[in-house]
Amino acid sequence: GAVVSQHPSWVICKSGTSVKIECRSLDFQATTMFWYRQFPKQSLMLMATSNEGSKATYEQGVEKDKFLINHASLTLSTLTVTSAHPEDSSFYICSARVSSGSRNEQFFGPGTRLTVL
Amino acid sequence: GQSLEQPSEVTAVEGAIVQINCTYQTSGFYGLSWYQQHDGGAPTFLSYNALDGLEETGRFSSFLSRSDSYGYLLLQELQMKDSASYFCAVRGNYGQNFVFGPGTRLSVLP
Repeated sequence: GAVVSQHPSWVICKSGTSVKIECRSLDFQATTMFWYRQFPKQSLMLMATSNEGSKATYEQGVEKDKFLINHASLTLSTLTVTSAHPEDSSFYICSARVSSGSRNEQFFGPGTRLTVL
Repeated sequence: GQSLEQPSEVTAVEGAIVQINCTYQTSGFYGLSWYQQHDGGAPTFLSYNALDGLEETGRFSSFLSRSDSYGYLLLQELQMKDSASYFCAVRGNYGQNFVFGPGTRLSVLP
């Protein structure tokens, strides 16, 4: 199957700093990637859809100025959490969808665990 | 909008069969997927149903009834390693992303 990587796998930062998370599709091109956030024992909540070469589409309630998304190439999307606060501590997961014929799968990166002190 | 319902927890013993149900409400329908997620890990794809019926992949099978807005994941010959959270996810139309259900935590006991 398609491989999606994320970096870093975990990060600890001080309140007020910014953190950048990278999401890469390793063996395929992804015109669209998705960013999710997952709090402990909860489901995945879609934050935004990242489109290569254009602005991201944010879900209702997600601050676009706080969660900056850049999809600069067909294999890389980045999520920057600006001025992070403890309530931003969460598991951030990116994914890319592969749609070909009857195949319709979504592949997830390994996730990035962010802890804001 | 879209909403999904799943049981929050299911417990079974090794070797048993367990069925995890998922009901959904969506303005359109373009497929139901199932994902497995172990603690601390990312979701991994298990199956996808676009049409009614049963899809079988090894010990796992997934069923869909579009008229009932219902699907289930069937896990057979349960193993300890199957202890995880299982999420159903629905896409309302081709252009949309999948919306995930609340997840079902499966505990497999020896």
